[in-house]
Amino acid sequence: EAGVAQSPRYKIIEKRQSVAFWCNPISGHATLYWYQQILGQGPKLLIQFQNNGVVDDSQLPKDRFSAERLKGVDSTLKIQPAKLEDSAVYLCASTRGGSTYNEQFFGPGTRLTVL
Amino acid sequence: AQSVSQHNHHVILSEAASLELGCNYSYGGTVNLFWYVQYPGQHLQLLLKYFSGDPLVKGIKGFEAEFIKSKFSFNLRKPSVQWSDTAEYFCAVNEGGGNQFYFGTGTSLTVIP
Repeated sequence: EAGVAQSPRYKIIEKRQSVAFWCNPISGHATLYWYQQILGQGPKLLIQFQNNGVVDDSQLPKDRFSAERLKGVDSTLKIQPAKLEDSAVYLCASTRGGSTYNEQFFGPGTRLTVL
Repeated sequence: AQSVSQHNHHVILSEAASLELGCNYSYGGTVNLFWYVQYPGQHLQLLLKYFSGDPLVKGIKGFEAEFIKSKFSFNLRKPSVQWSDTAEYFCAVNEGGGNQFYFGTGTSLTVIP
């Protein structure tokens, strides 16, 4: 089966600009996660969707970050405006269901550099 | 919030050496435990997982991990590493039934041929 797709793979922007990332999970996977991985750290969950509803967005900086999954399939993560500290790899992952007994499948990530 | 500690940030081994990477977590309740690996230029992928039952779990590529509840640990082991094991290894913890997965900071393993 096809894996989790993400685009773009790399993005360089200046601070205060806006940026959007796209994720297409594995077909049939109801749960989708966005993670932020800063260099030298482990992935940190930003938001979790179950179908098109938000399950957990407690660590999403809502003043500048937003995410949506309108039809329960693809998802976009937006940063507006970007700050220097947003430089990181943004990972998308999906699982078949909402249970934590499922395995998370990760995409290749989008490496964001904010100058 | 949960914290996950990986004590070794960078490990360098020769081929055929034995490997043990430490992972400790802070949550005292029921946990699900995972080890992920990220090979150079590739995605994060699951090495092994523990939900319940036998505390010694076996994963792909000859890796295993032991859950020791009393020590809040889930150390990763491999008796004989290969050059192809060069990668970043992440321990992750999920509080049983919760939505959050907490990752450690990762251990970079370099295996010298």
